[in-house]
Amino acid sequence: EVQLVESGGGLVQPGSPLKLSCAASGFTFSSNWLNWIRQAPGKGLEWVASINPDGSSTYYPDTVKGRFVVSKDNAKNTGYLQMNNLRSEDTAMYYCARTRGSDYFDYWGQGVMVTVSS
Amino acid sequence: DIQMTQSPASLSASLGETVTIECRASEDIYNGLAWYQQKPGKSPQLLIYNANSLHTGVPSRFSGSGSGTQYSLKINSLQSEDVASYFCQQYYDYPTFGGGTKLELK
Repeated sequence: EVQLVESGGGLVQPGSPLKLSCAASGFTFSSNWLNWIRQAPGKGLEWVASINPDGSSTYYPDTVKGRFVVSKDNAKNTGYLQMNNLRSEDTAMYYCARTRGSDYFDYWGQGVMVTVSS
Repeated sequence: DIQMTQSPASLSASLGETVTIECRASEDIYNGLAWYQQKPGKSPQLLIYNANSLHTGVPSRFSGSGSGTQYSLKINSLQSEDVASYFCQQYYDYPTFGGGTKLELK
């Protein structure tokens, strides 16, 4: 069974860093892309980061480029999202999700809440 | 960026009814479209990919169609467990989502 479990969320002040983790099981982590998608309270979905299977290429939308860094440790079956210089508009539920390629998100984690507030 | 416009934003339907949700892309996405269901307090779940392919374990009352810039999700014989929000997503370019449709029972 494919499982993705996020951790590391919490309440932080504006300008602070935070690192999220995504523990994967039930599939060959090293052969799949790892992605992060967020959802602000009561709002829609926004893609925030993708990394290819071997970790050599990363992709971000302009809203987080230069502040967020996605990585994956295939030996530990774990992905990460390092978020720097957090803003109030980054407040959201953050989901990690798998893709086989740069396509649809076929399995999602349960999500982790990040709140940026003073 | 490719913009995805989803309609309606909300929908009320009766049990057993057929429901259709539309999604329009700002340019041709060549069937690179997925549909997701999100129940309250839960993560999104994949329903349809490649515009019309049913994901593993998804009931056959769900179906997808469309091409070019216009796509739709149809739910036949609405069940109570189908109450949820539905989102479309294009993956022809960097992924973008529609604004969502909240489906409620009448």
